[in-house]
Amino acid sequence: DTAVSQTPKYLVTQMGNDKSIKCEQNLGHDTMYWYKQDSKKFLKIMFSYNNKELIINETVPNRFSPKSPDKAHLNLHINSLELGDSAVYFCASSQGSFEAGYTFGSGTRLTVV
Amino acid sequence: GENVEQHPSTLSVQEGDSAVIKCTYSDSASNYFPWYKQELGKRPQLIIDIRSNVGEKKDQRIAVTLNKTAKHFSLHITETQPEDSAVYFCAPLGGAQKLVFGQGTRLTINP
Repeated sequence: DTAVSQTPKYLVTQMGNDKSIKCEQNLGHDTMYWYKQDSKKFLKIMFSYNNKELIINETVPNRFSPKSPDKAHLNLHINSLELGDSAVYFCASSQGSFEAGYTFGSGTRLTVV
Repeated sequence: GENVEQHPSTLSVQEGDSAVIKCTYSDSASNYFPWYKQELGKRPQLIIDIRSNVGEKKDQRIAVTLNKTAKHFSLHITETQPEDSAVYFCAPLGGAQKLVFGQGTRLTINP
């Protein structure tokens, strides 16, 4: 069983569209994250949820909206997609946010054309 | 916010030799220091970590050393093998309760 699973793995869409990426973890962790990895491989945190509560919200355009229906799921919805949104988006989870190793999902490669 | 820098950005070594990657950070509240390995097209995976009350930790061919006074920690890989080729990230955990990733070091092992 995959510990942190994301869907879809690949997403190709046109500018202006709205899309969602889903993430689920079966590790029983209480904290989940979204990271964005750009073409230069920089990994930057976007959001963090602890027990369904938003605890980190970096400087991200408000076109990006995370939603956590329960502590095992963290979805990312993106409105009005732009070319610059093209990247690999990684979901991750950890038990607590202190001194805890993160387990990453396999990533979603988003291409906006 | 936390500033994290890794050096070098690329590293090429002969198979069997050792590789060392250094990470410097700015947040003195950082207390957890992991290293992640990301192979091409794959997810980042935790390979070793160290906490602030320990100076060194080893796991077979890999080790991490920490100098909290100087605010840097290093990844050491001995007897390198082709499968060690990947991008390595340091990601200290600071007072803001999030891992802040360095820019990555692309390690290439030459046979």
